[in-house]
Amino acid sequence: GAVVSQHPSWVICKSGTSVKIECRSLDFQATTMFWYRQFPKQSLMLMATSNEGSKATYEQGVEKDKFLINHASLTLSTLTVTSAHPEDSSFYICSARATPPTQYFGPGTRLLVL
Amino acid sequence: GDSVTQMEGPVTLSEEAFLTINCTYTATGYPSLFWYVQYPGEGLQLLLKATKADDKGSNKGFEATYRKETTSFHLEKGSVQVSDSAVYFCALSDPKGSQGNLIFGKGTKLSVKP
Repeated sequence: GAVVSQHPSWVICKSGTSVKIECRSLDFQATTMFWYRQFPKQSLMLMATSNEGSKATYEQGVEKDKFLINHASLTLSTLTVTSAHPEDSSFYICSARATPPTQYFGPGTRLLVL
Repeated sequence: GDSVTQMEGPVTLSEEAFLTINCTYTATGYPSLFWYVQYPGEGLQLLLKATKADDKGSNKGFEATYRKETTSFHLEKGSVQVSDSAVYFCALSDPKGSQGNLIFGKGTKLSVKP
């Protein structure tokens, strides 16, 4: 089946630094990728929809200047958490939409901001 | 807005027991319904889906029937195995969205004891 990878799988950083998370579709092309955030014992919350070659569409309440998304190719989308703070600590999951439309999920990236 | 409610876990069962995980939804249109499974340390995998009322999705011994009259999509399995231990997410595809955005329940952790 289709495989989506994320890198890194976990990251610890100091408050005020920026962290980049990569999401790759390994064996298929994805014009659309999604970024989710999951808090402990909570649902996956959609943060933004990433479209190859165009600007991402952010969900209400998600700061686009804080969570920078770049979908530069059909197999790679990146999420950069800028000036991270402890409240940004969370589990970030990406998915890539294949054809026919099915979302394939990455394993997630756990971010801890100290 | 659209939402998904699923029973809270954790659910602990003995091997070969019958499993039911309840899921109900609210939606203004006619969504597609999904069950995803997340095994420890892995990404979410699509377990089964149903796209219209009275459809039954099935996979790996799991079944769920799209019940429009009760707005439910309960997951069942007749005889669980230790390998079924995972977190199960019920989700709907936002019918208003053009890109098939998924709305998730909070997840139900299943532990199966030998």
